[in-house]
Amino acid sequence: AQSVTQLDSHVSVSEGTPVLLRCNYSSSYSPSLFWYVQHPNKGLQLLLKYTSAATLVKGINGFEAEFKKSETSFHLTKPSAHMSDAAEYFCVVSASESQGNLIFGKGTKLSVKP
Amino acid sequence: GAGVSQSPSNKVTEKGKDVELRCDPISGHTALYWYRQSLGQGLEFLIYFQGNSAPDKSGLPSDRFSAERTGGSVSTLTIQRTQQEDSAVYLCASSLQRVSTDTQYFGPGTRLTVL
Repeated sequence: AQSVTQLDSHVSVSEGTPVLLRCNYSSSYSPSLFWYVQHPNKGLQLLLKYTSAATLVKGINGFEAEFKKSETSFHLTKPSAHMSDAAEYFCVVSASESQGNLIFGKGTKLSVKP
Repeated sequence: GAGVSQSPSNKVTEKGKDVELRCDPISGHTALYWYRQSLGQGLEFLIYFQGNSAPDKSGLPSDRFSAERTGGSVSTLTIQRTQQEDSAVYLCASSLQRVSTDTQYFGPGTRLTVL
């Protein structure tokens, strides 16, 4: 069965410093992986997705993630945090090759200090 | 263009009452999904529809939950005899097709509170 584990429930960084949100996945096939962001009282927005093309995926707002099959990881990074990045981030895996429903991690809340 | 819309944005109901939640997907999207976000369970899949195929109901937590999708577009999630544990944000998403690589676009959700 597919699953994702977000290793940190809460990450706090200072504005201008790098961001690293960690995600490990388990999959019985070559998965599709996503990162979604949810700002307070807002809907879920796709940051980026991996679908078996390039292993380094670039997303919106300067975020990127690298698919590492050997480590079963899909960590999200950003070189320099902005105050507006404060939100909850979800690592997500597709349920199967044939099913489109998604399996979400528990989420990582990112706080950005001035 | 217009995104996924959901109504109502908030719903407060009494235990034992029935509620209906509505989702309008992005025009042209054949796949529609319902998820639930709650403090204890996180984000979990409930049900999805693909075109005219029979829906995948594997995520529905009990037989009090049901959903319909009329004309391949609007969907309604119905919860009968609501319980306090049904309190959550119910999210709808749509995608072009029901394939694992397609991006799902989420609506703003309906916050359900069962008193």
